[in-house]
Amino acid sequence: GAGVSQSPRYKVTKRGQDVTLRCDPISSHATLYWYQQALGQGPEFLTYFNYEAQPDKSGLPSDRFSAERPEGSISTLTIQRTEQRDSAMYRCASSLGAASGNTIYFGEGSWLTVV
Amino acid sequence: SQKIEQNSEALNIQEGKTATLTCNYTNYSPAYLQWYRQDPGRGPVFLLLIRENEKEKRKERLKVTFDTTLKQSLFHITASQPADSATYLCALDISGFQKLVFGTGTRLLVSP
Repeated sequence: GAGVSQSPRYKVTKRGQDVTLRCDPISSHATLYWYQQALGQGPEFLTYFNYEAQPDKSGLPSDRFSAERPEGSISTLTIQRTEQRDSAMYRCASSLGAASGNTIYFGEGSWLTVV
Repeated sequence: SQKIEQNSEALNIQEGKTATLTCNYTNYSPAYLQWYRQDPGRGPVFLLLIRENEKEKRKERLKVTFDTTLKQSLFHITASQPADSATYLCALDISGFQKLVFGTGTRLLVSP
């Protein structure tokens, strides 16, 4: 696609429910990142993929968070048993490759509110 | 502890002046440093990347410096315009695979 596309743009869920966020990266981009961004803060790294491989998931806050990219294109971020502290903007980004110097393109984000 | 500091207060300047934003970091040794622009409700947009062995990088009205001794980067916008009003984020590439650590950003307001 022309840009990184994320859905849903806004999601309100009740505490304890599971939520899945979707990211469609720029086509031909091998590398996909997930970041979490709180209001007034910069994005914080969650995890990344090279094609379908997930070399680093060190930023995932707990085992309630998981991400997949089974065919090396679209990715999902799932939060199980959501808690209020999970409320944040979740941003996906992609680049041609992971090597430093490849421009990273961010999506518009999915804003999650847990009530 | 490791941290990245950017001016938390908004920077207000007059159109036509040069805006200078600061990014200071401690306990990191990044090989690369990036600057992004973020408009309200939008995702960050990449502006410039500078490598640790580069002192200065320019792109049109933008200039970035990187002092690894001082652990500081300065971001300059010359001949600023109201359209430059946005939040500017610095980000350290601490991994080599662009695992970025972002500062909190500085809001720039350019008045006509």
